[in-house]
Amino acid sequence: NAGVMQNPRHLVRRRGQEARLRCSPMKGHSHVYWYRQLPEEGLKFMVYLQKENIIDESGMPKERFSAEFPKEGPSILRIQQVVRGDSAAYFCASSLMLADEFALDEQFFGPGTRLTVL
Amino acid sequence: GQQVMQIPQYQHVQEGEDFTTYCNSSTTLSNIQWYKQRPGGHPVFLIQLVKSGEVKKQKRLTFQFGEAKKNSSLHITATQTTDVGTYFCAGFTGGGNKLTFGTGTQLKVEL
Repeated sequence: NAGVMQNPRHLVRRRGQEARLRCSPMKGHSHVYWYRQLPEEGLKFMVYLQKENIIDESGMPKERFSAEFPKEGPSILRIQQVVRGDSAAYFCASSLMLADEFALDEQFFGPGTRLTVL
Repeated sequence: GQQVMQIPQYQHVQEGEDFTTYCNSSTTLSNIQWYKQRPGGHPVFLIQLVKSGEVKKQKRLTFQFGEAKKNSSLHITATQTTDVGTYFCAGFTGGGNKLTFGTGTQLKVEL
């Protein structure tokens, strides 16, 4: 059973270009989360998606960033007109179940995409 | 917004020494999860605590959830070089499906 897959693992872009990051959740998982991690820092929640729906995008910048999780295919995090400050590791995680009032299901993380903006 | 802080930020220990990281939330949590991230790697789930005052053990690791459900700790007994990495707590407030990660404690173990 393959884990969460992300590609590319490393991505280099020049300022102003677009970055597309892909995430395939674990088999059977329909909940996908995207996080950003700056060097030596913790993970910052960006967006939570289910198939064809954005459930919570409260952590995502209002401009240049968008995410989708289509009915078929991987989840995509798209960053338009990248700037140097977008350089970071972007992790995708997936989980099997919805939260109940007490607990959130375990999240399985992918290997991440390291984005470098020149 | 909710903040989750961890102390210390860094910890260097000699192999065989104990290690503890503390996690404090600005708001009451429904549950707390702990993750470990090796250098250059991705976070890996360790455990989840749900009940007030709960204590769970995994071999040399002991996890505790505070009575007020606003703090937690991870204690490692007799550290080994394989324990190297950054330990993150992550809190769930029950208001959605979002985990708020702590700032992390980076552990280095020297022989």
